[in-house]
Amino acid sequence: DQQVKQNSPSLSVQEGRISILNCDYTNSMFDYFLWYKKYPAEGPTFLISISSIKDKNEDGRFTVFLNKSAKHLSLHIVPSQPGDSAVYFCAASRASGGSYIPTFGRGTSLIVHP
Amino acid sequence: DVKVTQSSRYLVKRTGEKVFLECVQDMDHENMFWYRQDPGLGLRLIYFSYDVKMKEKGDIPEGYSVSREKKERFSLILESASTNQTSMYLCASSTDSTYEQYFGPGTRLTVT
Repeated sequence: DQQVKQNSPSLSVQEGRISILNCDYTNSMFDYFLWYKKYPAEGPTFLISISSIKDKNEDGRFTVFLNKSAKHLSLHIVPSQPGDSAVYFCAASRASGGSYIPTFGRGTSLIVHP
Repeated sequence: DVKVTQSSRYLVKRTGEKVFLECVQDMDHENMFWYRQDPGLGLRLIYFSYDVKMKEKGDIPEGYSVSREKKERFSLILESASTNQTSMYLCASSTDSTYEQYFGPGTRLTVT
């Protein structure tokens, strides 16, 4: 049973427009949420995160929004650039014995057309 | 910069072979993780370790074992490789004080 869901396997947007990637979770014990970006033949790299006590975090062109009541978060990329084309993974994290163990969604493949 | 390295980028093994995947991190991180990535299934946790000689099962540990004899090194072992273990294997590390993980470049394993 998926605890973290990314229901859109792919998303296609035009350069300069907004990209919105969505993520839903079911476990209310998650207290921290992260987005990772993955290019082909490379490992994922951390992009942006948000604590469950916040509803928004912004870093340059990237903003993550958290709606705890809906158990939903989204990643906004404005403006989108061709270099943003990658697979984006949502991850939700919880503390486990002193470590933080993330649960990943299945990913959304973003394609930004020039 | 944190660096996580994996011993091979590509590996081809035969069914029944014992396979070792090695991962080394250079930032003194307490926690290390092994994932596999398959199309449409995302990243699935196989095992993790929060200290030397300590290990915990993840979501899909069957057919795998791990070893962590030194803090910087975490090995994934396929005792008898099978074709359904053909996948991309990703190693990651993290500290106890942060949520962020640092990933290696991955090993593409093909079992024939």
